[in-house]
Amino acid sequence: GESVGLHLPTLSVQEGDNSIINCAYSNSASDYFIWYKQESGKGPQFIIDIRSNMDKRQGQRVTVLLNKTVKHLSLQIAATQPGDSAVYFCAENIGNAGKSTFGDGTTLTVKP
Amino acid sequence: DAGVTQSPTHLIKTRGQHVTLRCSPISGHKSVSWYQQVLGQGPQFIFQYYEKEERGRGNFPDRFSARQFPNYSSELNVNALLLGDSALYLCASSRDFGSNQPQHFGDGTRLSIL
Repeated sequence: GESVGLHLPTLSVQEGDNSIINCAYSNSASDYFIWYKQESGKGPQFIIDIRSNMDKRQGQRVTVLLNKTVKHLSLQIAATQPGDSAVYFCAENIGNAGKSTFGDGTTLTVKP
Repeated sequence: DAGVTQSPTHLIKTRGQHVTLRCSPISGHKSVSWYQQVLGQGPQFIFQYYEKEERGRGNFPDRFSARQFPNYSSELNVNALLLGDSALYLCASSRDFGSNQPQHFGDGTRLSIL
């Protein structure tokens, strides 16, 4: 069935360390993936996306890796800062429908 | 530029009542989607509208309905409210329909059912 899941519901890292948040998806037809960040009391905020014809994409301090063979997605945050503390969601789209299927999120806590 | 705006920010209703939630997309965006987010979970897709037509519907009962206006703003209506409808209702907009692109979310309407 269609589902997106994250490996760990919580992740705690030290300020300045790198963070890796993982996500597994089950639908091999998914062709577009997005990472969102949601802070308390706010809506999800776009971080980075990747299409299925790519296996890596980099942004400012963030990198998304896609392994279609094992249906795995990861978000790497370099030099994690206190402002990175939030819930992170991966989402997948199938075709061009625009509908996103979200996982349940990983709560990232950055310790000073 | 203004982002996606939703109103009201908070709402308290009782079981059996009806509610209307409103959303204004980012200027130039023609597609609006609605999501329900229960505490501790990811958003669940309810509807997508593009050019005033429904383009997608999630697994929600007929008590949920929506529409999009000529100015691309949208309303989500929920009838016969149940306790389980308590959630954060998110609206997201994107420029078009039919191409993979990220959605831009508002900060939601927190609906509490007593």
